[in-house]
Amino acid sequence: DAKTTQPNSMESNEEEPVHLPCNHSTISGTDYIHWYRQLPSQGPEYVIHGLTSNVNNRMASLAIAEDRKSSTLILHRATLRDAAVYYCILRDVSNSGAGSYQLTFGKGTKLSVIP
Amino acid sequence: DAGVIQSPRHEVTEMGQEVTLRCKPISGHNSLFWYRQTMMRGLELLIYFNNNVPIDDSGMPEDRFSAKMPNASFSTLKIQPSEPRDSAVYFCASSFYLPGLADEQYFGPGTRLTVT
Repeated sequence: DAKTTQPNSMESNEEEPVHLPCNHSTISGTDYIHWYRQLPSQGPEYVIHGLTSNVNNRMASLAIAEDRKSSTLILHRATLRDAAVYYCILRDVSNSGAGSYQLTFGKGTKLSVIP
Repeated sequence: DAGVIQSPRHEVTEMGQEVTLRCKPISGHNSLFWYRQTMMRGLELLIYFNNNVPIDDSGMPEDRFSAKMPNASFSTLKIQPSEPRDSAVYFCASSFYLPGLADEQYFGPGTRLTVT
């Protein structure tokens, strides 16, 4: 399985933008890039996903490098509620095997938001 | 929609007892997942159902663990007999999965299991 590398932790000031990086140098052409986050004492929560183009939704933006070997989750204005562990996950949806449905969670990046 | 519902939210039991965790997926979803989270091992997939049929149970740690999905709106994860090392938070998730498409998995609040 293609793997991802994320910093263990990051800090941000409240109301400032946050850029969470993810490296995935062995990504394949059919791997989608997914981001989930887990707030304290809660289950993981879907944030965003993309394949090649940058993506925006109400929660965040996903910027994908042209060679797809890295991506960045952008929170445009961090709030205290955004303090969570953020997971970057690759999923190959092109086949019918385990990789097409399974989310393999790594250790993620623990984001702290400073008031 | 109420989201994925899990019960109980907390369970404390003694070693050797049977434990049953319950999950109600989001209506209309065709896939259901059971995950386990511990500090040591992080978040691990235990078993995955598609259209109520178990597809992959390779993550189930031992024969003491079993899961069922008798219908599209209910699933159980049973541990019999339970052991202290089963202490963890167990999450249920559901999604509407179609091959070739990147679906979103929706997680429940989890059941925190403590086996003494």
